[in-house]
Amino acid sequence: NAGVTQTPKFQVLKTGQSMTLQCAQDMNHEYMSWYRQDPGMGLRLIHYSVGAGITDQGEVPNGYNVSRSTTEDFPLRLLSAAPSQTSVYFCASSWDRDNSPLHFGNGTRLTVT
Amino acid sequence: AQSVTQLDSQVPVFEEAPVELRCNYSSSVSVYLFWYVQYPNQGLQLLLKYLSGSTLVESINGFEAEFNKSQTSFHLRKPSVHISDTAEYFCAVGSSNYKLTFGKGTLLTVNP
Repeated sequence: NAGVTQTPKFQVLKTGQSMTLQCAQDMNHEYMSWYRQDPGMGLRLIHYSVGAGITDQGEVPNGYNVSRSTTEDFPLRLLSAAPSQTSVYFCASSWDRDNSPLHFGNGTRLTVT
Repeated sequence: AQSVTQLDSQVPVFEEAPVELRCNYSSSVSVYLFWYVQYPNQGLQLLLKYLSGSTLVESINGFEAEFNKSQTSFHLRKPSVHISDTAEYFCAVGSSNYKLTFGKGTLLTVNP
């Protein structure tokens, strides 16, 4: 049971570099999302998708892009990394049903210097 | 818009003591309420949820939460905690089961 898989686990970037955080799920979930977790701030929603080809912005979308070309994958792109994007990033997925909880990956710890 | 306030950022308790983690929410529509738990270096896991029906919900590991609509609260309780309950606990609210607004978290530390 792989569940939600995030890669890489750790990443260090220099200001201005770009990178893609990968997220894959093998549960055929319609819904996928990206959160960032910062100390004392809880989790804040960056972007989400309710199905392949459909994405929307969450609470803190600036500086991030997403796409959903398949049901399984939902990559998060940082176009030009900034120190303010230093955070732990979590991908989560769910069925679109009342009794379906969010399933989280183990996170990617990103440091931007 | 929805918001969640977790009233305590840290709660230290001794093993076998009772604990209450407080959560208040605001929303202009009917909502679903959740508690998620995060153990060190892991993602979040669902602890329990309120969708409708009985206002008292229970988890398999002894936690319970009561939905109080008049006080807009969803406090989490356990009558006797264990060392293994040490974790960060997040209250969340949403108009669906997946697009959730999370609180800032409460770090529960259980001491021997």
